[in-house]
Amino acid sequence: ETGVTQSPTHLIKTRGQQVTLRCSSQSGHNTVSWYQQALGQGPQFIFQYYREEENGRGNFPPRFSGLQFPNYSSELNVNALELDDSALYLCASRPDRAANYGYTFGSGTRLTVV
Amino acid sequence: GNSVTQMEGPVTLSEEAFLTINCTYTATGYPSLFWYVQYPGEGLQLLLKATKADDKGSNKGFEATYRKETTSFHLEKGSVQVSDSAVYFCALSEGFGNEKLTFGTGTRLTIIP
Repeated sequence: ETGVTQSPTHLIKTRGQQVTLRCSSQSGHNTVSWYQQALGQGPQFIFQYYREEENGRGNFPPRFSGLQFPNYSSELNVNALELDDSALYLCASRPDRAANYGYTFGSGTRLTVV
Repeated sequence: GNSVTQMEGPVTLSEEAFLTINCTYTATGYPSLFWYVQYPGEGLQLLLKATKADDKGSNKGFEATYRKETTSFHLEKGSVQVSDSAVYFCALSEGFGNEKLTFGTGTRLTIIP
């Protein structure tokens, strides 16, 4: 049973709209990351939060933004949606900053932009 | 920058065959290495990991050894089952302030009875 829950599971949006994806992590998981997985590709790192502050960002434009809350939930917001934003968005968390613990991933939100 | 190169798929094997999925990496530091598995319609599950050279990660009959001299982390299993059919991703993380996971493109494995 995964300890990371994402919602919604599927979403269809129109180009130019804004979207908010949500993630609920296990208690004590202070580090949360978001990844974009295009069809047939490996996940690409979007950004990471540690104790509610962004502490790492991948090659994604500023219209991708996030929030992390004290209750171990987090959000990914994407403004001005483009067709290429269609992908599976994965949330991942772990209990502390040590890389060797490995992340726990959610099942993802599949976003389709039309 | 960091990168991970995986054996291209798809890979199709008969049940009980021996499996190897090759993975090599490029990193500036001393990364931790991971294999993740993704079953259809699901997110990623950590399969195994190794945090330093010569470490062997193992889980569910799968093994991978961290080889610093060849910058490799090949995944092996002695006898695959139909239930092993999934997409396998090799990944690395440098940690210590650069903790993002860098993934390979994935290898789709299909096991036929």
